[in-house]
Amino acid sequence: GAVVSQHPSWVICKSGTSVKIECRSLDFQATTMFWYRQFPKQSLMLMATSNEGSKATYEQGVEKDKFLINHASLTLSTLTVTSAHPEDSSFYICSASPIIGQGAFGSYEQYFGPGTRLTVT
Amino acid sequence: GQQVMQIPQYQHVQEGEDFTTYCNSSTTLSNIQWYKQRPGGHPVFLIQLVKSGEVKKQKRLTFQFGEAKKNSSLHITATQTTDVGTYFCAGRTQGGSEKLVFGKGTKLTVNP
Repeated sequence: GAVVSQHPSWVICKSGTSVKIECRSLDFQATTMFWYRQFPKQSLMLMATSNEGSKATYEQGVEKDKFLINHASLTLSTLTVTSAHPEDSSFYICSASPIIGQGAFGSYEQYFGPGTRLTVT
Repeated sequence: GQQVMQIPQYQHVQEGEDFTTYCNSSTTLSNIQWYKQRPGGHPVFLIQLVKSGEVKKQKRLTFQFGEAKKNSSLHITATQTTDVGTYFCAGRTQGGSEKLVFGKGTKLTVNP
């Protein structure tokens, strides 16, 4: 159990276009979903925290107008990279945290999706 | 802001040797989690520690949470080639925040 999917797994787009990435929890409901960037051989950098039905909370330095997050249901969150530029090229990975008590470990563990490789040309 | 430091950044061992990675937070944590990321894969949750001084074991892996709840360690006994990957600690600050702050990870390679 506790599977998180991401779509697409990789995408190449032209500079100036927008790209939408989907994150779904397949077999559990997620109170909260998180969006991270991971640069090669580096750690995970949290971009934003999203709760179903409310506005996402963005980390300092992350442009909320550029990285639009929508958390429409307890199983789906989307990240849209608007007007993408080459510097936005990265590995974007989402995670989902089960509703308290539903997780295997009780609460707050995060289950990660497989990530989306975005390349902006 | 909160920072989580993790050392060493890299560790190369011979199969059968032990391995330890250490994690230190600039602030007191409500809990700490450990994740493993295999090469080319995504992070996978290993364990969560909540109590001061807590020690948990998973087969050859031993996790500790410091008395002050500001540091933690992961120790692997008798490493195997299947242990290769990057081990991340992630801390959650006190106050109920859902946000995790990840350490930079320790990349473990095991020579057979």
